[in-house]
Amino acid sequence: GAVVSQHPSRVICKSGTSVKIECRSLDFQATTMFWYRQFPKQSLMLMATSNEGSKATYEQGVEKDKFLINHASLTLSTLTVTSAHPEDSSFYICSARTASGGDNEQFFGPGTRLTVL
Amino acid sequence: QKEVEQNSGPLSVPEGAIASLNCTYSDRGSQSFFWYRQYSGKSPELIMSIYSNGDKEDGRFTAQLNKASQYVSLLIRDSQPSDSATYLCAPGRAGTALIFGKGTTLSVSS
Repeated sequence: GAVVSQHPSRVICKSGTSVKIECRSLDFQATTMFWYRQFPKQSLMLMATSNEGSKATYEQGVEKDKFLINHASLTLSTLTVTSAHPEDSSFYICSARTASGGDNEQFFGPGTRLTVL
Repeated sequence: QKEVEQNSGPLSVPEGAIASLNCTYSDRGSQSFFWYRQYSGKSPELIMSIYSNGDKEDGRFTAQLNKASQYVSLLIRDSQPSDSATYLCAPGRAGTALIFGKGTTLSVSS
């Protein structure tokens, strides 16, 4: 159980375009989803926390108007990178916590590798 | 500022040896502690969780927690080449996102 999927797994786009990444919890309801970004040889950096039905909470330094997060249902959260630039190229990973969430475990999706040309 | 410190390595051990990975954290309010394994180009995979002081064993893995010292470790017995990966330590508070250390790269040679 506790499977999280992401789509697409890899995307290449031109500078200035927008890219949407989907994160789904397949076999559980996720009241909270998290979005992380990882640059090569760096650790995972939390970008934002997304709660179903409410606005996302962004970490300091993350532009909320550039990284749009929507968590419209208990199984789906989306991250849209607007007007992407080469410096946005990174590995984007979502994670989800079960509705009970008592143990604070987070289950990760397989990640989306974004390359902006 | 919550900090998680790990020795980046690489930690090199021969096949069959014990690998010892260490982590210290700054947030005394942390209640849950996780070890994730991340292969190159892949997302993290949960391998151990620990919530109470002491040891917790699961197969070849043993997690050790000392909240007073703000220290958590992971021992891997009978290390295998397939264990070669980056190991991420992640303490957390209930209801909040996990904060990750930079990870320790483990290399197991056959």
